[in-house]
Amino acid sequence: GQNIDQPTEMTATEGAIVQINCTYQTSGFNGLFWYQQHAGEAPTFLSYNVLDGLEEKGRFSSFLSRSKGYSYLLLKELQMKDSASYLCAVKDSNYQLIWGAGTKLIIKP
Amino acid sequence: GAVVSQHPSRVICKSGTSVKIECRSLDFQATTMFWYRQFPKKSLMLMATSNEGSKATYEQGVEKDKFLINHASLTLSTLTVTSAHPEDSSFYICSATPPTSGQLKQYFGPGTRLTVT
Repeated sequence: GQNIDQPTEMTATEGAIVQINCTYQTSGFNGLFWYQQHAGEAPTFLSYNVLDGLEEKGRFSSFLSRSKGYSYLLLKELQMKDSASYLCAVKDSNYQLIWGAGTKLIIKP
Repeated sequence: GAVVSQHPSRVICKSGTSVKIECRSLDFQATTMFWYRQFPKKSLMLMATSNEGSKATYEQGVEKDKFLINHASLTLSTLTVTSAHPEDSSFYICSATPPTSGQLKQYFGPGTRLTVT
């Protein structure tokens, strides 16, 4: 079966750095996505990785290792507004998005 | 960026009635739209893929006669929850991919919270 694992919940301090991990086992791989979802709202796109390595975009960076089936989302200089759920999703060989359950990130002052 | 709208944002209906949710791509044409539902603290679950001008493709376990999908134009897809029951209460989200994004990004509508009493 296809599976995406990410921690259920994480807590971090305002101004700090947090890394949210995602591991996946899917039938084929056509890219990995990270989305941010605030409570009661739809997800918004954060990043896309299809090749190994680190993609940096402002305070957010995403890393991919295809051989390890592993990705992480790195958030720097945390702000209170970063409190949200972060969803990892992988496009499989059929280009269908397989979603993780999301990681709820709680930012404390 | 691309914009997808949904209407209504919230709806409360009585058990046994039907509810229609609209999904519109406002600044691009979407030959394909996706419908998801999400239960509290759970991940997105793909219900069906809506194809303009043809029948929707439903995921396993999703009742196509209960969740009617119509993709009437390149900018509009509708999801009708027929004979709604309390267990259908959920957050329904549509998404679409602009042709120019090379299938990389899905843009999501703001979602519709359905409560069946």
